[in-house]
Amino acid sequence: SQTIHQWPATLVQPVGSPLSLECTVEGTSNPNLYWYRQAAGRGLQLLFYSVGIGQISSEVPQNLSASRPQDRQFILSSKKLLLSDSGFYLCAWIPGFSGTDTQYFGPGTRLTVL
Amino acid sequence: AQKITQTQPGMFVQEKEAVTLDCTYDTSDQSYGLFWYKQPSSGEMIFLIYQGSYDEQNATEGRYSLNFQKARKSANLVISASQLGDSAMYFCAMREGLVDAGGTSYGKLTFGQGTILTVHP
Repeated sequence: SQTIHQWPATLVQPVGSPLSLECTVEGTSNPNLYWYRQAAGRGLQLLFYSVGIGQISSEVPQNLSASRPQDRQFILSSKKLLLSDSGFYLCAWIPGFSGTDTQYFGPGTRLTVL
Repeated sequence: AQKITQTQPGMFVQEKEAVTLDCTYDTSDQSYGLFWYKQPSSGEMIFLIYQGSYDEQNATEGRYSLNFQKARKSANLVISASQLGDSAMYFCAMREGLVDAGGTSYGKLTFGQGTILTVHP
């Protein structure tokens, strides 16, 4: 079956510390992958998307970066976190060669930067 | 300019009644997709329903239907026979951009600000 995983589920980090959030999918190959951020009480903002290994498109300039080292792995990183990086981070995917337009979301990571 | 507008910050409905959540959009693309997602307090985004810009029939999925009025650029979600478990945040989203030959979208989703729905017993 096709599933998407994110970890950790919650994270509390000090300002200036590094960040690594991981997203992995199962049951498909060549998925499109997406990272979104949701501030409290707000809609989702697209941060990065990837259509293949090593292919990353950035939507919002900031101190975050993304990488796709394997077909089914998508990583969101930062070298130095800011207070404004706090939020709910959601990974989404479209199964490869599915003919579908729908993005399915993972369970999310709640990040608090203190 | 806002591409997706949800004008209702909060809505209340009595259990077993129907409710309409409003969504208007703005795009110059001929090919686009409209989506509704539900986000309960757990935070997970749950896909509810999809409408393609070329679909002539309104989409339906169980108790959910999408009232698509292309000329007015609106894509309202109708939930029939509301249940207590329908209480959640609801987001309208639009996909613009390219779709490959296999039908997979390279486009990105733009979300509205959401509507909090509360179902009263």
